Amino acid sequence: EAQVTQNPRYLITVTGKKLTVTCSQNMNHEYMSWYRQDPGLGLRQIYYSMNVEVTDKGDVPEGYKVSRKEKRNFPLILESPSPNQTSLYFCASSLGLRQETQYFGPGTRLLVL
Amino acid sequence: GQQLNQSPQSMFIQEGEDVSMNCTSSSIFNTWLWYKQDPGEGPVLLIALYKAGELTSNGRLTAQFGITRKDSFLNISASIPSDVGIYFCAGGMDSSYKLIFGSGTRLLVRP
Repeated sequence: EAQVTQNPRYLITVTGKKLTVTCSQNMNHEYMSWYRQDPGLGLRQIYYSMNVEVTDKGDVPEGYKVSRKEKRNFPLILESPSPNQTSLYFCASSLGLRQETQYFGPGTRLLVL
Repeated sequence: GQQLNQSPQSMFIQEGEDVSMNCTSSSIFNTWLWYKQDPGEGPVLLIALYKAGELTSNGRLTAQFGITRKDSFLNISASIPSDVGIYFCAGGMDSSYKLIFGSGTRLLVRP
């Protein structure tokens, strides 16, 4: 089954404690992306990757890092989380630049105390 | 940065009614997408639009790409309880992987 998986699905942490949210896709997609969803703001792109070792900033990259060492994985790293990073995070992957082929993961709800 | 204004923010309607929602932007897009998000899930694509003026249907859903390329609307006819969810519009450019999302329309359907 074609899918994007994220782990963990729910996470409560404290300010400053480094965390990583993993994302994996089994569709051999080149493009992967991270979004955050906040009430009244829709989804905003954090980082995206066009292929292995190729990443670029989205609209709200501050406080986040990503890496793309393998095609299937695109982890999101919060080196020093802060309360304003409390949000619902989605990973997505797509075949090339065809945005309409984007598959979204199930989401990771993060609470930073 | 680019922004999409999506309206209405929420709708509470009776089963069987038709629904209309729209997105407007100050920027031109080459692609308009409409997604639905169920509780606890990621967005799922409903309709993709590629050309100005294009009108596309998917079952009871119909969406149009505005002539100016700065707006789009989504209609749902004869709503049913499973239409409940949040609907998002998104605009995209051919040359970029970036999608700009609207803030969403929360739809509630009264059986």
